[in-house]
Amino acid sequence: KQEVTQIPAALSVPEGENLVLNCSFTDSAIYNLQWFRQDPGKGLTSLLLIQSSQREQTSGRLNASLDKSSGRSTLYIAASQPGDSATYLCAALGGTSYGKLTFGQGTILTVHP
Amino acid sequence: GAGVSQSPSNKVTEKGKDVELRCDPISGHTALYWYRQSLGQGLEFLIYFQGNSAPDKSGLPSDRFSAERTGGSVSTLTIQRTQQEDSAVYLCASSLAYRAENSPLHFGNGTRLTVT
Repeated sequence: KQEVTQIPAALSVPEGENLVLNCSFTDSAIYNLQWFRQDPGKGLTSLLLIQSSQREQTSGRLNASLDKSSGRSTLYIAASQPGDSATYLCAALGGTSYGKLTFGQGTILTVHP
Repeated sequence: GAGVSQSPSNKVTEKGKDVELRCDPISGHTALYWYRQSLGQGLEFLIYFQGNSAPDKSGLPSDRFSAERTGGSVSTLTIQRTQQEDSAVYLCASSLAYRAENSPLHFGNGTRLTVT
């Protein structure tokens, strides 16, 4: 059974800092690794998707990396802004979960001015 | 274009009543997922549909839960004889193709269910 873990559970940083969110998964036979953002009372917004054959994806100030062999992914946020405050979730598609997307518990990010 | 639409956005019901939650996926998306998010918990997979294939119901927590998808588009999640532990946010998502490596999931805003 695929298990996804995110560290840290919560993070508070001053505006302008670069930060890294960590995600690990137990079954490396994945199709892709996805990062989402969730604002309070809202659904999830897709940020980045890294296919199993890729090592990283970039979108604006966001960069996500994938190391399948070690079962790890990181989300790097450059020059953080208060608007980046949200819960960030990673999810692995595939492995022993037969194509279901397995989510981590999320990292609650607060960026203060 | 329009995203995934869920209704109602909030539902309060009495214990023992049945409820129906609706999901309108993005047009053209063949895969549809239901997840549940409880307070302090992660997202729990419930069921997914892919085209005309038989749905994967392996995540449904009990036989009180069922879902259908009519015409490969709109989906309804039904909870019979609701219990207080069913209180959660029910999220629907769709994607272009199930298990495709480059198809991100698009989520609706969810239905917040409260069972009193």
